Amino acid sequence: GQQLNQSPQSMFIQEGEDVSMNCTSSSIFNTWLWYKQDPGEGPVLLIALYKAGELTSNGRLTAQFGITRKDSFLNISASIPSDVGIYFCAGRGDKLIFGTGTRLQVFP
Amino acid sequence: DTAVSQTPKYLVTQMGNDKSIKCEQNLGHDTMYWYKQDSKKFLKIMFSYNNKELIINETVPNRFSPKSPDKAHLNLHINSLELGDSAVYFCASSQLPGPSAYEQYFGPGTRLTVT
Repeated sequence: GQQLNQSPQSMFIQEGEDVSMNCTSSSIFNTWLWYKQDPGEGPVLLIALYKAGELTSNGRLTAQFGITRKDSFLNISASIPSDVGIYFCAGRGDKLIFGTGTRLQVFP
Repeated sequence: DTAVSQTPKYLVTQMGNDKSIKCEQNLGHDTMYWYKQDSKKFLKIMFSYNNKELIINETVPNRFSPKSPDKAHLNLHINSLELGDSAVYFCASSQLPGPSAYEQYFGPGTRLTVT
C-alpha cells in the first residue's frame, strides 16, 4: 500500500533544541495532518492543514502545507521531555495515507 | 468521557481461534475506521464505515469482518487467527462530510498477540 516518506526516521536531541521533520509524497494531497503517538497509546491529532502554503501553529508546534501540495513540514521549538514519541504525517487522497513516522527522543 | 474507546486493550490467543475487538465513539461522528499498526509502526487502513455502511475495504483477508450495529460502534471480528495477525489494531472516527472530514480521532488501540 501507499505510504508517505517521512524524514528523519529518528531523532535524538537535547531538551531545549528545535526539531524539524518533513513528509514527502509523489501524489498531490488536499489535506495534510500531523499526529503524535505516545507509547502504548493511539495517535493524537496535532495540526490539520487545508491549503497549499498554509502555516499553522499549535503551541510550540508549527506545521506547513507545502506549495507543491506534495509535502509538509513540522517544527517543534524548545523541545521538552514530554515531546518524546512518534510523529506521523498523513495526507488525504481518496483516503488518509500515513507516513512512516519520525521517532523523537529528547534527553534532559 | 473517553472519545473513542476500544476493548480489550490486550488480547492474547492461539492460532485458529476467532476473536472480536469492540470500538465505541461518543463524538457523534458518522464515520469509523479500523487501522492495523505493524511492528514497524506502519499504520494502514483496513475498513471504513459511514453511517453503518462500508465505504472503504482495503485488501484485507476475508477472515476479517467489520460490523457496525449503529454509527457509534464498529466491531472487528477475526476468524481463524494467524501468527501474522499479531499487531496493534486502532479504531478511529471522523465526521464526514464536512470541513474537518479527515481529522480522525483514534482509540487507545488493542494489542493482539497470536501464539
